[in-house]
Amino acid sequence: GAVVSQHPSWVICKSGTSVKIECRSLDFQATTMFWYRQFPKQSLMLMATSNEGSKATYEQGVEKDKFLINHASLTLSTLTVTSAHPEDSSFYICSASKYEQYFGPGTRLTVT
Amino acid sequence: AQSVTQLDSQVPVFEEAPVELRCNYSSSVSVYLFWYVQYPNQGLQLLLKYLSGSTLVESINGFEAEFNKSQTSFHLRKPSVHISDTAEYFCAVRVSGYSTLTFGKGTMLLVSP
Repeated sequence: GAVVSQHPSWVICKSGTSVKIECRSLDFQATTMFWYRQFPKQSLMLMATSNEGSKATYEQGVEKDKFLINHASLTLSTLTVTSAHPEDSSFYICSASKYEQYFGPGTRLTVT
Repeated sequence: AQSVTQLDSQVPVFEEAPVELRCNYSSSVSVYLFWYVQYPNQGLQLLLKYLSGSTLVESINGFEAEFNKSQTSFHLRKPSVHISDTAEYFCAVRVSGYSTLTFGKGTMLLVSP
């Protein structure tokens, strides 16, 4: 139990376009979901905390207008990277909380 | 605020040798402690956790960690590593009643034949 999926697993997009990443808790309901960003050979950086039905709480330094988070249901949260630039290229990982955090497999975003 | 320190960014070891990955934390309140493992291009998998009770916790694949409150440490150990243990290992803490995790910078365990 406690499986979290992410879609897509990897995506390549052109600079200036937007890309949406989905995070789903497959076998449990998660009131809280988290979005992380990970640069190569570095730790996870928490971007935002998302609670179902309310606005996400963004960490300091994370642009909320650039990284749009929607947590429409207890099993789905989405991260939309708007007007993507090459420096947004990274590995994005979500997690869903049910007592503990359970992590998705990550999404590799490459902006060309 | 909490912080987690993993002093070793990389630990090379030969197969079947023992290994210890160090983790120290700082917190003014009680915390829960976790070790996660990340294989290349994958998300994090929970390896083991300490919430309460026995200070020695074990995982199903032979890893163990001991919570030492006086030394504020939660080192991860395995008596005999396998090639397949090669991965990035992250130590993390969470304050009781909160869901946010604070991660260390990670330790890359490199197991060679």
